[in-house]
Amino acid sequence: DTAVSQTPKYLVTQMGNDKSIKCEQNLGHDTMYWYKQDSKKFLKIMFSYNNKELIINETVPNRFSPKSPDKAHLNLHINSLELGDSAVYFCASSPGTSGTSQYFGPGTRLLVL
Amino acid sequence: AQTVTQSQPEMSVQEAETVTLSCTYDTSESDYYLFWYKQPPSRQMILVIRQEAYKQQNATENRFSVNFQKAAKSFSLKISDSQLGDAAMYFCAYRSARAGTASKLTFGTGTRLQVTL
Repeated sequence: DTAVSQTPKYLVTQMGNDKSIKCEQNLGHDTMYWYKQDSKKFLKIMFSYNNKELIINETVPNRFSPKSPDKAHLNLHINSLELGDSAVYFCASSPGTSGTSQYFGPGTRLLVL
Repeated sequence: AQTVTQSQPEMSVQEAETVTLSCTYDTSESDYYLFWYKQPPSRQMILVIRQEAYKQQNATENRFSVNFQKAAKSFSLKISDSQLGDAAMYFCAYRSARAGTASKLTFGTGTRLQVTL
């Protein structure tokens, strides 16, 4: 059974398009995250939700909008895609907000042409 | 803000030998957690080991162990009896344990480990 899953795994699209990445976890965790890994492999937090409530919103362009319909799902919608959005996007989850380990999904490689 | 530094972009080890990956961090907090994650070519981020700052005992997980030096803000990962499957990028990460803080991980820039025959 997959613990944290993301769809799609690969996404190739044109500049200016709007796209969504979905994330689901079946671990019963309360907290979910989106991280971005750039071409130099650097990982940085984008958003975090706890029980469907936004608790972390780093300095991310407002073209990026997370949505958490329930605590098992955290989707990422990106409007007006730009070349610089090309990266690997990781979803993660943890049982709570403090002190617990985070478990990552397999990542979604986004390529904007 | 906390920072995590991995000063070794690449390391190489022979199969069955031992290798140590370095990590230092900067924080003004006294309570926090430290992690090592492994990212093989499959891209999956795999939790290798975790250390609570309030624990003096170094964490171990099978062939993986850490050397946690709180005063020096150092958190190195030792891999014993290296195997070909250990080849990957290794990321050190920090997480605050302060109540009420957001729970994000702050990552280092990673160390690429090669394992040779």
